[in-house]
Amino acid sequence: DVKVTQSSRYLVKRTGEKVFLECVQDMDHENMFWYRQDPGLGLRLIYFSYDVKMKEKGDIPEGYSVSREKKERFSLILESASTNQTSMYLCASRKDRGGAFFGQGTRLTVV
Amino acid sequence: QQQVKQSPQSLIVQKGGISIINCAYENTAFDYFPWYQQFPGKGPALLIAIRPDVSEKKEGRFTISFNKSAKQFSLHIMDSQPGDSATYFCAASRDNYGQNFVFGPGTRLSVLP
Repeated sequence: DVKVTQSSRYLVKRTGEKVFLECVQDMDHENMFWYRQDPGLGLRLIYFSYDVKMKEKGDIPEGYSVSREKKERFSLILESASTNQTSMYLCASRKDRGGAFFGQGTRLTVV
Repeated sequence: QQQVKQSPQSLIVQKGGISIINCAYENTAFDYFPWYQQFPGKGPALLIAIRPDVSEKKEGRFTISFNKSAKQFSLHIMDSQPGDSATYFCAASRDNYGQNFVFGPGTRLSVLP
């Protein structure tokens, strides 16, 4: 079974802190994604990566950056956390064909 | 052109009934259409998927119907159970290098016992 593991289930951070969300997949997938999910807004793509060191902006990249130094790991960085970044963050991965597999999610609260 | 529309927003069905969720897309370049099931506090899980070369795919109680000319596809859950109560997302993508998914807004399904 494909496994996508996010480093934390719950995080509480202070406004202005730099926040790192880590995601690891074990199926050698080329593509990895970061989404945020908010009530009534569905899944919104923040960034995705189709190869090591490659990244593409999604629909809502402002206030975020990403890093993909190894194929299995994709990190989401909040440079200076703000309260409007309180959300559920979901990482996913896929090969070039077929479905995406999601991690369990990280619920981030910025206070 | 990148949007996927999904309806209804919420759905209440009696146990044993049929749940039907509909989606529509615009981009004819899409060639992969999955459905995801999400329980509260969990990440979405791939449920079933279809490609445009077939009009229907069935896995257990779950069936996708696909209408290429109308650019619509739907999820049917037969003999719906309370354990099926979840949020369902349709999505569309291209099978190709560097392609992401476009998700519908989701349907919250409640199956009453």
